[in-house]
Amino acid sequence: DVKVTQSSRYLVKRTGEKVFLECVQDMDHENMFWYRQDPGLGLRLIYFSYDVKMKEKGDIPEGYSVSREKKERFSLILESASTNQTSMYLCASSLSERENTGELFFGEGSRLTVL
Amino acid sequence: GQNIDQPTEMTATEGAIVQINCTYQTSGFNGLFWYQQHAGEAPTFLSYNVLDGLEEKGRFSSFLSRSKGYSYLLLKELQMKDSASYLCAVIDSNYQLIWGAGTKLIIKP
Repeated sequence: DVKVTQSSRYLVKRTGEKVFLECVQDMDHENMFWYRQDPGLGLRLIYFSYDVKMKEKGDIPEGYSVSREKKERFSLILESASTNQTSMYLCASSLSERENTGELFFGEGSRLTVL
Repeated sequence: GQNIDQPTEMTATEGAIVQINCTYQTSGFNGLFWYQQHAGEAPTFLSYNVLDGLEEKGRFSSFLSRSKGYSYLLLKELQMKDSASYLCAVIDSNYQLIWGAGTKLIIKP
């Protein structure tokens, strides 16, 4: 059974703290994505990666960075958390030769609260 | 700008049929997805349409009209477990995924 695992389901952090969100997939997928999900809005793409060591900015990369040192792992980093980064963060992966035409497999999400 | 419109919330009765609409205005079109997301869980893939017409998969069907910028998800023989949010997403000409805000479907007995 395919699986995308996010390290933390719930986190509470203070403003200015550094936050790491880890995501691991066991499907040997090339493509990995980080989204945030907020009420009343569609999923918004933060960063994505189509290969190891490769990263591309999505629609809302400000305040975030990512790391993809291994194919199966894609980490999202908040260098200095702010209250407007309180959100649900979803990691996803896909296997597709053409970007984004493949089915996305999502993790269960990490709900981050920044106080 | 690019836009995906879905109703925010719908209510239907167990055993009935419900149609969830999605209209889109995007720069180009390379396919449309429907995902289901139960509260507190990961979205899961339901369907992918790239050509006009109806695709049936069990109790769920998805329809696409590219000329009208319109899709719908049809759920038949509704069950309580179908209570979830349904997300519509379109692939634009740059192969970027544009997401709708989702439709929360409430099933009543």
